[in-house]
Amino acid sequence: GENVEQHPSTLSVQEGDSAVIKCTYSDSASNYFPWYKQELGKGPQLIIDIRSNVGEKKDQRIAVTLNKTAKHFSLHITETQPEDSAVYFCAASIWTGGFKTIFGAGTRLFVKA
Amino acid sequence: GAVVSQHPSWVICKSGTSVKIECRSLDFQATTMFWYRQFPKQSLMLMATSNEGSKATYEQGVEKDKFLINHASLTLSTLTVTSAHPEDSSFYICSARPNQETQYFGPGTRLLVL
Repeated sequence: GENVEQHPSTLSVQEGDSAVIKCTYSDSASNYFPWYKQELGKGPQLIIDIRSNVGEKKDQRIAVTLNKTAKHFSLHITETQPEDSAVYFCAASIWTGGFKTIFGAGTRLFVKA
Repeated sequence: GAVVSQHPSWVICKSGTSVKIECRSLDFQATTMFWYRQFPKQSLMLMATSNEGSKATYEQGVEKDKFLINHASLTLSTLTVTSAHPEDSSFYICSARPNQETQYFGPGTRLLVL
């Protein structure tokens, strides 16, 4: 079955710097890759997603890149702010008669003011 | 974006009692909803897939008689933790899909069983 690995588990950056979180997936049939942000005590919030027919997508300070050949996808946050501090989860979805979503283990991002 | 609500946001109960958690999609219809469990500092663990008008599909290792799921309408799914015990204490999160791919999560319900 599909497996998603996420690195790093913890990331600490200075305010204004960029943060990059990387994920790899195992099943080449996966074709939808969402990213979620989870703040303490809250549910995950969808922040950006990318489909397998696109290599890059950007939304203001957030961008996601996808390398289908290498089965890698990454989240890039530029000009980080303290409110970006949260746990970020990547995920890969595969069609198995219905979309099944596999989540990464999460990255705890700390943005220091 | 699509909004999913959960109620209650937190609940404390005595061991042996049952607890019902509601999940609602507020501005879209969802034929499929999902229930997750999350332990501290861990990822989301899928418990079951809730399908409107049919039986839920449970993941391996999840007791269907322990965690009863009902998806009576296109906007409401409920999870009932029956005869709750301290080891059932956790953060329970639901999600719903307005389309085939995108999944929106509720705010979660923190359950503490004494």
